[in-house]
Amino acid sequence: AQSVAQPEDQVNVAEGNPLTVKCTYSVSGNPYLFWYVQYPNRGLQFLLKYITGDNLVKGSYGFEAEFNKSQTSFHLKKPSALVSDSALYFCAVGAGTALIFGKGTTLSVSS
Amino acid sequence: GAVVSQHPSWVICKSGTSVKIECRSLDFQATTMFWYRQFPKQSLMLMATSNEGSKATYEQGVEKDKFLINHASLTLSTLTVTSAHPEDSSFYICSANRAGELFFGEGSRLTVL
Repeated sequence: AQSVAQPEDQVNVAEGNPLTVKCTYSVSGNPYLFWYVQYPNRGLQFLLKYITGDNLVKGSYGFEAEFNKSQTSFHLKKPSALVSDSALYFCAVGAGTALIFGKGTTLSVSS
Repeated sequence: GAVVSQHPSWVICKSGTSVKIECRSLDFQATTMFWYRQFPKQSLMLMATSNEGSKATYEQGVEKDKFLINHASLTLSTLTVTSAHPEDSSFYICSANRAGELFFGEGSRLTVL
């Protein structure tokens, strides 16, 4: 069975500082990994995905994620956080069908 | 712009009534759509897979007679919450696959009084 874990319920970071939101996965075979962002009472917005290829994936709004097979991780990163990045972030695993989501991590960026 | 549209965004209903939520794929055909449920500050839980022209596939623990799904066309899936009760209050989100990428609707918040 596929699963993802987001070990942190909340991440707090000051504006301008780098941010990391952690995600680890468990799949049999090659993982298809995704990051989505959700603003209050809104649907999910796609940030980036890893299917194959370069382990460093660049996505929307300056976010990137690094696929680490040995650590089974797919952490989301951004070099310089913005207050507007404050939202709920979901890591997910899947393959073009229904996705399995992590529990989500609330990112709070303070000015 | 949005590629998946949900309607309504907000709905309040009385206990015992039924509520229909629509999910439309815009400018593309979706033979499969997915319905998720999200409780406050929690993750999205897959409820069912909606298949155009055939019966939906429900996840374990989801009552198919409670949550009726109809995928009558290649651009529309509907979720009907029948005989709604306060515990059905939740945020319902649909998604559709376009060219291998999943797009999500904006969600529909249901409040049952």
